[in-house]
Amino acid sequence: EAQVTQNPRYLITVTGKKLTVTCSQNMNHEYMSWYRQDPGLGLRQIYYSMNVEVTDKGDVPEGYKVSRKEKRNFPLILESPSPNQTSLYFCASRTGVLDTQYFGPGTRLTVL
Amino acid sequence: AQSVTQPDIHITVSEGASLELRCNYSYGATPYLFWYVQSPGQGLQLLLKYFSGDTLVQGIKGFEAEFKRSQSSFNLRKPSVHWSDAAEYFCAVGPVSGGSYIPTFGRGTSLIVHP
Repeated sequence: EAQVTQNPRYLITVTGKKLTVTCSQNMNHEYMSWYRQDPGLGLRQIYYSMNVEVTDKGDVPEGYKVSRKEKRNFPLILESPSPNQTSLYFCASRTGVLDTQYFGPGTRLTVL
Repeated sequence: AQSVTQPDIHITVSEGASLELRCNYSYGATPYLFWYVQSPGQGLQLLLKYFSGDTLVQGIKGFEAEFKRSQSSFNLRKPSVHWSDAAEYFCAVGPVSGGSYIPTFGRGTSLIVHP
């Protein structure tokens, strides 16, 4: 089954404790993205990747890192999480720039 | 800078009634427009998209949208709503510049369906 998976689905952590949210897709897609969704703000893109070892900033990259060492994986790293990073995070992938994006189920992160 | 406005935060309709969700965009060139649906606890699913050509676009689940350049709008419609359509709907606009793609999403419209 074609899908985008994210882990963990739920995470509660404390300020400053490094964490990684994994994202994996099995569709051989070139493009992958990370978004955060906050009430009343819609989705905002954090980072995106056009291929292995090629990443670029989205609208809200501050406080986040990403890496793309393999085509299927695109982890999101929070080196020192802060409470303002409490949000719902989505990973997405697509074949080409304008092709349909497939979204993962989301990761709800709470930073205390 | 591009922007997307979904003026309705909530819309309530009765099952079987018609639906129109509004989306207005601001963008300097021909936009690439999308509508997504998000069911509770789920990720987003693409309903339809417009790049060029016919301004009336058909999507999945019986939805359609019409691009009106003069009004900078891309409203989503469905002739008869089903209870399963209750969800959050997002309009998005995205340029393509140098191979990059940073879409802008609206704040969403929550659809409530009464039996």
